[in-house]
Amino acid sequence: DAGVTQSPTHLIKTRGQQVTLRCSPKSGHDTVSWYQQALGQGPQFIFQYYEEEERQRGNFPDRFSGHQFPNYSSELNVNALLLGDSALYLCASSLGLAGEDTQYFGPGTRLTVL
Amino acid sequence: DQQVKQNSPSLSVQEGRISILNCDYTNSMFDYFLWYKKYPAEGPTFLISISSIKDKNEDGRFTVFLNKSAKHLSLHIVPSQPGDSAVYFCAASAMNNNDMRFGAGTRLTVKP
Repeated sequence: DAGVTQSPTHLIKTRGQQVTLRCSPKSGHDTVSWYQQALGQGPQFIFQYYEEEERQRGNFPDRFSGHQFPNYSSELNVNALLLGDSALYLCASSLGLAGEDTQYFGPGTRLTVL
Repeated sequence: DQQVKQNSPSLSVQEGRISILNCDYTNSMFDYFLWYKKYPAEGPTFLISISSIKDKNEDGRFTVFLNKSAKHLSLHIVPSQPGDSAVYFCAASAMNNNDMRFGAGTRLTVKP
């Protein structure tokens, strides 16, 4: 049973560039959430996708956008990268929208913006 | 705004002793609380949770206590083992709200 997978593992970009991160949910899960974890901090909720729509969003600017595909996999896009976007980006999957569903996290993508 | 706080960045305990990790929250709308464990180069792994209708939940060596009036929860690990060494995150959410808030984490080191 494959867990949550993310690609790439590491990524280096320069300011102003755009980046796309990818996530495949755990088998049987239909909901994907994205988190940003800055160094020394806990994960911060970016947004959640269910049925190919953004269902809820945290306090992140429009430069952060996403997509969910019919197979439930998801992408996180960040435009006009800033140095402060350097972080570990975590994807979590769950079943359904209920807040109490346990979320399973992937290993993350480490993004470095130079 | 940091609605979930873990005020101890690190904790060191001896193998076999009890580990107590603490977490405070400010949002009274939170009604579901979770603890995650994170090893280096891995994503957080769900450990244990508690609903606001309970004040205690136990799963093997792990027990979570919730004090709603104090807006405080704690995770007890008894007995602590070296394999428990990891970063522990406290998280909270409100019913039907998937914006789960995390604390900054506490690094637990269990010494043999």
